[in-house]
Amino acid sequence: GESVGLHLPTLSVQEGDNSIINCAYSNSASDYFIWYKQESGKGPQFIIDIRSNMDKRQGQRVTVLLNKTVKHLSLQIAATQPGDSAVYFCAELNDDGGGADGLTFGKGTHLIIQP
Amino acid sequence: DVKVTQSSRYLVKRTGEKVFLECVQDMDHENMFWYRQDPGLGLRLIYFSYDVKMKEKGDIPEGYSVSREKKERFSLILESASTNQTSMYLCASSKHLSTEPTDTQYFGPGTRLTVL
Repeated sequence: GESVGLHLPTLSVQEGDNSIINCAYSNSASDYFIWYKQESGKGPQFIIDIRSNMDKRQGQRVTVLLNKTVKHLSLQIAATQPGDSAVYFCAELNDDGGGADGLTFGKGTHLIIQP
Repeated sequence: DVKVTQSSRYLVKRTGEKVFLECVQDMDHENMFWYRQDPGLGLRLIYFSYDVKMKEKGDIPEGYSVSREKKERFSLILESASTNQTSMYLCASSKHLSTEPTDTQYFGPGTRLTVL
C-alpha cells in the first residue's frame, strides 16, 4: 500500500483566503518531505521542502508544517491567487544512504480557486 | 535553471509495438527517474538510475526497461506495449550529494502515451 496520502482529492477556496492542504504519511523513518505543484499539462514543480529535524519552514506565501508525532504534513498557502490553482502532491523520502533517492508520492489534492 | 526535456508530449502506439521514451537533462545530475502518473494513483516510480549504465527497479518495473548510456540521457522502453500502459510518463533528475539526504527532483513536462 501507499505510505503517503492526502486527505482530500479536491479543495475549493475563495480567492484571497488561505489554503491548507494536508498529507499523512505512515513511514516514521522518512526524513525528508517535499511539496510539488502540478499545473494542467505540465510536470510537477518543486514548491518547498522540509527535513525531519524541523517543524516548520516558510517560503514566499507558503508554509510547510511537519508534525512527526502524528505523521502529518501540511502546506499552507497565504492569500490564494488564481495562479495557485493546480494539483498539489506531497512526497516523502526514506534515505537509506545509498544510490538514488526515489520519492514516494501522495495521490494529490486539486486546489480550485473560486473568484 | 534546470531543464529536463522529454522527446514527445503526446504519443499514440498500437498494442505490441516497441516504444521508446527519451529524457534529457542539462544540469549534470547523477540521478534520473521515470514515473507514471495515473488518476487516483498519483506518481509511481518505474525505474531510476544513479549513474551511467546503472539502473534500479522502482515500485512498478514490470513491462518496462531502461537505458542510461550517457549521463544526461535516460530512456524508458516498453518492449511490447499494452493498453494498461496508457498513461502520463514523467521523467525527473536530481543531484545526489553525499552530505545531504537528497536534492530536489526536477521534472520534465511529461509524455502522454496512448496504447490502442
